[in-house]
Amino acid sequence: DTAVSQTPKYLVTQMGNDKSIKCEQNLGHDTMYWYKQDSKKFLKIMFSYNNKELIINETVPNRFSPKSPDKAHLNLHINSLELGDSAVYFCASQDRANTGELFFGEGSRLTVL
Amino acid sequence: DAKTTQPTSMDCAEGRAANLPCNHSTISGNEYVYWYRQIHSQGPQYIIHGLKNNETNEMASLIITEDRKSSTLILPHATLRDTAVYYCIARTNAGKSTFGDGTTLTVKP
Repeated sequence: DTAVSQTPKYLVTQMGNDKSIKCEQNLGHDTMYWYKQDSKKFLKIMFSYNNKELIINETVPNRFSPKSPDKAHLNLHINSLELGDSAVYFCASQDRANTGELFFGEGSRLTVL
Repeated sequence: DAKTTQPTSMDCAEGRAANLPCNHSTISGNEYVYWYRQIHSQGPQYIIHGLKNNETNEMASLIITEDRKSSTLILPHATLRDTAVYYCIARTNAGKSTFGDGTTLTVKP
């Protein structure tokens, strides 16, 4: 049973489109994150939610809107996609109350043409 | 979160111990040292973490200096599958994880 699962794994779309990536964790953690890894392999934090509340927003363009319907889900919606949005997006869940360990999903590779 | 500094790359012979250093000279008293690795394009994987004492688990050992300004991750018997980018992060256990450039470890036959 996958602890942190993301869908879709691959997404190819045209500039200007709107797309969503979904993330679900079955670990019972309160905190979830979105990270972006670009072609230079730099892993950058984007957002974090704790119990459905936004706690970290790392000056990401407002075309990116995270949504957390419950603490097991954190979705990422991207409006008006640009070429520079092409990257691998990783969702992570954190056990803040105990070890603070991050559990990552397998990533969603977004390609904007 | 304290800034960490790691070498860009390292090589290790298969079967030998891989020792990966990390400097975190500005670490605070309540900040832990965490290590993760990323194999190819997979999601980063937690390896180990510690505060003051040395730690060991089934994957690795973590040696933290007495002044806590640096640490070393030890993979006791490196295999080809340990080839990955290794990240050292210093933060509180509830803090956010800021990933740097990490160390690219290449295990060679």
